[in-house]
Amino acid sequence: KAGVTQTPRYLIKTRGQQVTLSCSPISGHRSVSWYQQTPGQGLQFLFEYFSETQRNKGNFPGRFSGRQFSNSRSEMNVSTLELGDSALYLCASSSGQGQNIQYFGAGTRLSVL
Amino acid sequence: AQTVTQSQPEMSVQEAETVTLSCTYDTSESDYYLFWYKQPPSRQMILVIRQEAYKQQNATENRFSVNFQKAAKSFSLKISDSQLGDAAMYFCAYRSHNSGNTPLVFGKGTRLSVIA
Repeated sequence: KAGVTQTPRYLIKTRGQQVTLSCSPISGHRSVSWYQQTPGQGLQFLFEYFSETQRNKGNFPGRFSGRQFSNSRSEMNVSTLELGDSALYLCASSSGQGQNIQYFGAGTRLSVL
Repeated sequence: AQTVTQSQPEMSVQEAETVTLSCTYDTSESDYYLFWYKQPPSRQMILVIRQEAYKQQNATENRFSVNFQKAAKSFSLKISDSQLGDAAMYFCAYRSHNSGNTPLVFGKGTRLSVIA
């Protein structure tokens, strides 16, 4: 069974640009969660999508948005990039029910210059 | 809001020895899950072990075991017979037990070095 796939692995953008990250969950999983990882703040929850609906949202500005498609693949978008958005963005896939164990992808490393 | 604290930013252990990583958490809930994740340099978070709060028995996965003290809100990870491949960042995480999904709340992590 294929794991969680995140693309691209690395991204370099400049301030003010926007970026889209992609996450393909494990086959059969309906929930995708996104986390931001930085040295200073650690791992912080961005949002979670389940069956194409946002079910939970963390404390991030509206520049951070996401969506989920009917095949459960999810995209995360960050508009008007700031230097502080430089981070590792991790996607986690889960069944969305029961114990709901989250399985992570390898992440996308975003650098904002 | 729940919080997770890992008080040891860095730890080291000799190969084949045993090491214990500490984790404490704060919650007013009685039912929840606790996890230890490992993040090697490859960046992918790997689930090491999990514990349901309603289970008194400590979870064990091969060389990995936990000491879950619910009253003390403590959840430490013991790694026995340490191997070079165990070198990584280790994160303790908490998740509420709800009918829907709730996000993981992570500690800041402990960097484990294994000395040959």
